[in-house]
Amino acid sequence: DAKTTQPPSMDCAEGRAANLPCNHSTISGNEYVYWYRQIHSQGPQYIIHGLKNNETNEMASLIITEDRKSSTLILPHSTLRDTAVYYCIVRPRDVGDKIIFGKGTRLHILP
Amino acid sequence: DADVTQTPRNRITKTGKRIMLECSQTKGHDRMYWYRQDPGLGLRLIYYSFDVKDINKGEISDGYSVSRQAQAKFSLSLESAIPNQTALYFCATSEPGQGKAYGYTFGSGTRLTVV
Repeated sequence: DAKTTQPPSMDCAEGRAANLPCNHSTISGNEYVYWYRQIHSQGPQYIIHGLKNNETNEMASLIITEDRKSSTLILPHSTLRDTAVYYCIVRPRDVGDKIIFGKGTRLHILP
Repeated sequence: DADVTQTPRNRITKTGKRIMLECSQTKGHDRMYWYRQDPGLGLRLIYYSFDVKDINKGEISDGYSVSRQAQAKFSLSLESAIPNQTALYFCATSEPGQGKAYGYTFGSGTRLTVV
C-alpha cells in the first residue's frame, strides 16, 4: 500500500493558490517527501521534494509540518495548465527505492 | 531526444498474443521500473531492476516478465495477452540520491489495448 494519503479530488479557481494536502504519518527519519504531477495521460513529472524544511522552487512550495507527518504542496498562482493528478510519495534516503504510488489528487483549476 | 523512450506509443493486440514493450534511457540511471496505470487506480508497480543483474517483482507481476538487456534497456513482455491487461504502461528510471536529477523520470507511456 502507498505510504501516503491524499484527497481524491480538489477544485481551485484560476489565479488562486492551490493547496494540496498529503498525510504521511508513518514516514521515517530517512524518508523524503516528493511531489509529482501527471497531466492527462503523460508520464508523471517531478515538482519538488523536501526532508523537513520548507522548500520553494519555480513551480511550487512545499510545507512540511514539524512532526513530518503531513505536508502541503502550494501552487501559488494556479493556471488552467495546472489541472492534473498530483502524487505525494515518500522516498528513502538510501537503498530500497521501490516507490508505491497512491491514487493522487485530481486537481481541477476552474476558469 | 527524450531521456526515457518507450516504444511503441500505442499498440492493439489480440488475446493470446505475445507482446513486448520496450524502454530505453539516456539518463545513465541504474534503476529502472515498469508501472501500469488503469483509470482511477493510479500507478501500480509491475517489475523493477536496480542494476543489470537485478530483477524484482512489484505489486502486480503475474502475467508479465521483464528483461534488462543493458543498463539503458528494460523491456516488459506479456507472454499471452489478455483483455484485462489493457492499460497505460510507463517505464521510469531513478538513481540513489535526492533531488530532481535522482528522482523518477518517466517515459511518455505505451497505451496497450488487448482485444
